[in-house]
Amino acid sequence: KNEVEQSPQNLTAQEGEFITINCSYSVGISALHWLQQHPGGGIVSLFMLSSGKKKHGRLIATINIQEKHSSLHITASHPRDSAVYICAARNTGNQFYFGTGTSLTVIP
Amino acid sequence: DTEVTQTPKHLVMGMTNKKSLKCEQHMGHRAMYWYKQKAKKPPELMFVYSYEKLSINESVPSRFSPECPNSSLLNLHLHALQPEDSALYLCASSQWGGGADTGELFFGEGSRLTVL
Repeated sequence: KNEVEQSPQNLTAQEGEFITINCSYSVGISALHWLQQHPGGGIVSLFMLSSGKKKHGRLIATINIQEKHSSLHITASHPRDSAVYICAARNTGNQFYFGTGTSLTVIP
Repeated sequence: DTEVTQTPKHLVMGMTNKKSLKCEQHMGHRAMYWYKQKAKKPPELMFVYSYEKLSINESVPSRFSPECPNSSLLNLHLHALQPEDSALYLCASSQWGGGADTGELFFGEGSRLTVL
């Protein structure tokens, strides 16, 4: 069993839709990271959170420490949001455990 | 400067060649990482350096040899690679520390390696 599980694996949405990607983890963490990777490209850090909720523009990340669960929401999705979204759990030893990623395609 | 710079962006090498991948950051981060990523898979950790010392080696074959000459530079020396080593090699850096407010990962664009 992976330490970090993401769902769904693949997601197709119409432009404008509200999108949710889920992440569950089984390790003790100091922080939970959401990352974005465009095709053929490097990885960009979207959020690092250890409690509550963070918001950047149309992106919102939440975490429930008791339930070991985090969600990434995208409001008013746009084709440029098409990418792979990766959840990563970081423990106090600075070790990262990556989810398998969610491949998002937003259709105009 | 919040960049991690990797060179080269693309590399094609034969199985008998010796080459190196380079990574540079000037954010004062004391943790640097090498990851290997195959298509449609998440990154796999290869090595972690903390304060210029190798702290994690994820049982990587010796044909991959990391080097951290100073706090800004990280190299990955490649020798006698196999075709199955073809992948995207990603460098990342972060502050070192287990706290909740430190440790955001900054990735380079990657070096896409093809072994013939």
